Formats: sequence, C-alpha cells, structure tokens
Amino acid sequence: QVQLQESGPGLVKSSETLSLTCTVSGFSISRGYYWAWIRQPPGKGLEWIGSLSHSGRSYYNPSLKSRVTMSVDTSKNQMSLKLNSATAADTAVYYCARVPAETHYFDYWGQGTLVAVSS
Amino acid sequence: SSILTQPPSVSVAPGETARISCGGDNIRSQGVHWYQQKPGQAPVLVVCDDSDRPSGIPERFSGSSSGNMATLTISRVEAGDEADYYCQVWDSSGDHPGVFGGGTKLTVL
Repeated sequence: QVQLQESGPGLVKSSETLSLTCTVSGFSISRGYYWAWIRQPPGKGLEWIGSLSHSGRSYYNPSLKSRVTMSVDTSKNQMSLKLNSATAADTAVYYCARVPAETHYFDYWGQGTLVAVSS
Repeated sequence: SSILTQPPSVSVAPGETARISCGGDNIRSQGVHWYQQKPGQAPVLVVCDDSDRPSGIPERFSGSSSGNMATLTISRVEAGDEADYYCQVWDSSGDHPGVFGGGTKLTVL
C-alpha cells in the first residue's frame, strides 16, 4: 500500500527557509512517477507548488518558482521541499502526493503538515 | 494558463443528486480530475481523466466533460458526502501547468 508522510518543523521564522521531507513507503520513488507538493492556507483552497520526477524533470508554479527547490533522494525513498524567504503568506498545510506521469493527477496524498511562518 | 471556476457552494437533500461544475477555457483539451476533502483530512481523488473512478470510489460518483465545462455528479447523496470538492487540470501548454479550481462546499441538508 502506497503511503506518504510529510515531516519538518511546524514553525518557521519569517525570511528563513521552510524545509519539508516526504517519506514514501510501499512504492519505489524511482519507478517512473512524478512527486508533487501542494499546499493549503488555513480556510482556503489548494495550491500546486511543483512536481518532480526521480530523473530530475520538474515543473513549478511560476509564482513560487524563484523560491522553491525540490529534490528526490532515491536511496532514502524521500522527496524534499525547500521554500526560501518565507513569509506569513506561506503559512499552510503542506501535502506531498504521487503523480502518474501521463495524466498528472494526484492519486496518493500524505496526511499533510501544518507550517506556520512567524513574523 | 488555465483558470478553473467552481461555484462556492452547492446544497442538496439526502438521496438527491448533486452536480458540481468546473469551467475553464482549456478544459476541452485536458483531462479533468476531482478531489473530495473532508475537514481536517487530505484530499482524496474521486474522479480522474474526466470520468474514470479510482479503485474504491463508489459508483455514485461520476464525471463528465463537454466543451469548456466539466461536471462532478454525486447520485443518491449521503450525509457522509458533505465535503469540499476541487477540480484540477494539467495544462502542459502553459507555464503554470498544475491548476486547481477554487473549490465547492457541498452541504447535505
């Protein structure tokens, strides 16, 4: 059974870097899917951050692209997200998700982790 | 880039049929995917590629697409269907490929 679990600090100071890890179990991260980050500010809708394949092919939300770094560690079966220069507007629940490469929907999601950015 | 428009809310009585729309200029050329999100939970994929149902999703959930509009239909609505529903497309032609609609709150009266 495919499972994803986000982890990382729940509180980040403004202007610092928000860093999260997604650990995948039950499925090899190098098996040809994409892996995505999606976030949801409190009380608001879903926002796609970016998608990355194990081979390095990537797509990013242009509104976040200049601040985002995504990577995959196949040895640990993990993916990571770094969002630098964080502001209060980055406060959100962050989800990681698996993405079939051909159609780019999000078929498995982690439970999400809330990250608050303090001023 | 695609912009997807959903009604903020839809209300329906138990046993009736709920229809949630998703409009966008480029929908006709893309597959539309639908997610259900209950409070405090991660979204769950309920329809993919316009009208396919992932394993484990009840047949009461169905999707369709015509022109610039996609529709999620929930038949014989149950109290447990009350949730937020989001549509999503992948617009590979633009610089912002991953797009979600604003979400629709389904209330079961």
